[in-house]
Amino acid sequence: GQQVMQIPQYQHVQEGEDFTTYCNSSTTLSNIQWYKQRPGGHPVFLIQLVKSGEVKKQKRLTFQFGEAKKNSSLHITATQTTDVGTYFCAGRRGSTLGRLYFGRGTQLTVWP
Amino acid sequence: EAQVTQNPRYLITVTGKKLTVTCSQNMNHEYMSWYRQDPGLGLRQIYYSMNVEVTDKGDVPEGYKVSRKEKRNFPLILESPSPNQTSLYFCASRPQGTGNTIYFGEGSWLTVV
Repeated sequence: GQQVMQIPQYQHVQEGEDFTTYCNSSTTLSNIQWYKQRPGGHPVFLIQLVKSGEVKKQKRLTFQFGEAKKNSSLHITATQTTDVGTYFCAGRRGSTLGRLYFGRGTQLTVWP
Repeated sequence: EAQVTQNPRYLITVTGKKLTVTCSQNMNHEYMSWYRQDPGLGLRQIYYSMNVEVTDKGDVPEGYKVSRKEKRNFPLILESPSPNQTSLYFCASRPQGTGNTIYFGEGSWLTVV
């Protein structure tokens, strides 16, 4: 079964609106990563979060890792058409360092 | 240029005909992995390798084989492909250490008829 749940599956926003995608795991994660995949492209690594409660920012993107290290979110402020794509979270458990459990992704569409 | 190269990029094949998808990286990375991507299911890990001669199963290893005889190459082998293996396949690599960036190849579209 799916180890990491991600919602929503789709999100349509108008340019300038904010966007958030959420990931949730039933088990504690050692770290969580976020990826962006443009239409027709390959996943591109965005960031990794490791510490409980960690918050990281990349320009308009804010990433959070929950206190219990079971959930995470990606928030985009004032979306732009260049933000279009599918955003994936991927979690790793401490006991299996080579395994990476991806969420199903959130497909973001931005209307100009 | 640092890259992960997959071949072929596109392939249509018939059920039962053995095929190999090659993956090569030029970054001297220890870790390599294969994923398949299907609509609505995201990326699912097939196999991974922590280093030469070390491979392990991911979430969906059935019907696939891999080998890691040298550091730069990690081929994915479908001994007897079936239509349910029609998918988009990605190879990825990263240096040793889980905090390092993972680099994905461009993807290989495989159709089994």
